[in-house]
Amino acid sequence: RKEVEQDPGPFNVPEGATVAFNCTYSNSASQSFFWYRQDCRKEPKLLMSVYSSGNEDGRFTAQLNRASQYISLLIRDSKLSDSATYLCVVKRQAGTALIFGKGTTLSVSS
Amino acid sequence: NAGVTQTPKFQVLKTGQSMTLQCAQDMNHEYMSWYRQDPGMGLRLIHYSVGAGITDQGEVPNGYNVSRSTTEDFPLRLLSAAPSQTSVYFCASSYSSGGGEKLFFGSGTQLSVL
Repeated sequence: RKEVEQDPGPFNVPEGATVAFNCTYSNSASQSFFWYRQDCRKEPKLLMSVYSSGNEDGRFTAQLNRASQYISLLIRDSKLSDSATYLCVVKRQAGTALIFGKGTTLSVSS
Repeated sequence: NAGVTQTPKFQVLKTGQSMTLQCAQDMNHEYMSWYRQDPGMGLRLIHYSVGAGITDQGEVPNGYNVSRSTTEDFPLRLLSAAPSQTSVYFCASSYSSGGGEKLFFGSGTQLSVL
């Protein structure tokens, strides 16, 4: 089983829709969690960190469930510019590198 | 600000050739890492370093060597290129912020091995 798993999609939604992505991780000792965004043929960039209490950044909401080892990303009022691949990322512990999921592709259409 | 500088952007090799992908960062980050990205496989960790003189293997280290003689530089060496190493390679550096890490990526190297 891969350490970080995501539904690859693609998710095809109209502008204004709400869409949710899910991610599970296998290592219960994982300490830090992130969502990255990657545009076609570009490098990944940090979208937001994920905290146990849940956190929001504008139209984006991230949730973490440590008991279920589950992370989610909710995008409200989707924009055309949200079209990208969203990567779930986990850090096992201090002094280790980040582990990436395969990514979930989102396509927002007008 | 240069950030993470990765060279070259494109490279074509013949099977058996060796080469070095260069990565340099000017942000004084302790952590540096190399990933490869293949269609349907996502980003996979090759090697990483938590500081000068310290390196460790990631998920797919075979066929690659790294060294970290300075904080700034983290080159990736392909010893004898194979077609299976055709991929897009990303170098990244990071610092700890608020209990987590933000990775800064280079712009990538598209490598083809014929």
